[in-house]
Amino acid sequence: DTEVTQTPKHLVMGMTNKKSLKCEQHMGHRAMYWYKQKAKKPPELMFVYSYEKLSINESVPSRFSPECPNSSLLNLHLHALQPEDSALYLCASSEDNFYGYTFGSGTRLTVV
Amino acid sequence: KNEVEQSPQNLTAQEGEFITINCSYSVGISALHWLQQHPGGGIVSLFMLSSGKKKHGRLIATINIQEKHSSLHITASHPRDSAVYICAVRRTGNQFYFGTGTSLTVIP
Repeated sequence: DTEVTQTPKHLVMGMTNKKSLKCEQHMGHRAMYWYKQKAKKPPELMFVYSYEKLSINESVPSRFSPECPNSSLLNLHLHALQPEDSALYLCASSEDNFYGYTFGSGTRLTVV
Repeated sequence: KNEVEQSPQNLTAQEGEFITINCSYSVGISALHWLQQHPGGGIVSLFMLSSGKKKHGRLIATINIQEKHSSLHITASHPRDSAVYICAVRRTGNQFYFGTGTSLTVIP
């Protein structure tokens, strides 16, 4: 299995909702990443987990809460989002030395 | 100024043409990646380079560490190559720094 699987592919949520994005990989990668991508812009790094510990938080608002329950799974919990948070959320994983960097296909989030 | 610059920003080519996309960076790096993103979002990692040249099918990627420059070439371009091509560099830790992308359209 050489894929990073993200679910759901599309999500529409209200500003008072709580939802979660899920990312899964079974390649034995020990680094996992969340990115946010707005239209026609490059991805922006949000969080990095290394060996299931949060190693980088790029000053992301607390309404985004990452979680890494095990080495194969990465969640992004969403609460009280704003319409400007609508974007494509991409997950990626890599080996510890950055080799094999693999992106998921993303979750397209719309906040209404 | 972005640490990673790509050119051109947009490129239209006829099917069969040879295509070159350029990437220049201004910082020390440990590796450079070329990524492909199709409409709809999914990103595919095409190459990871730290020196020299790599080839995969019709795609060739080169890097010149001294000049801080990399190129992605597509030979015999095809409409299915239409996508955004993104250059990304790794500095320290587990961070990428992305270029702004090159939007390629190959016309039949």
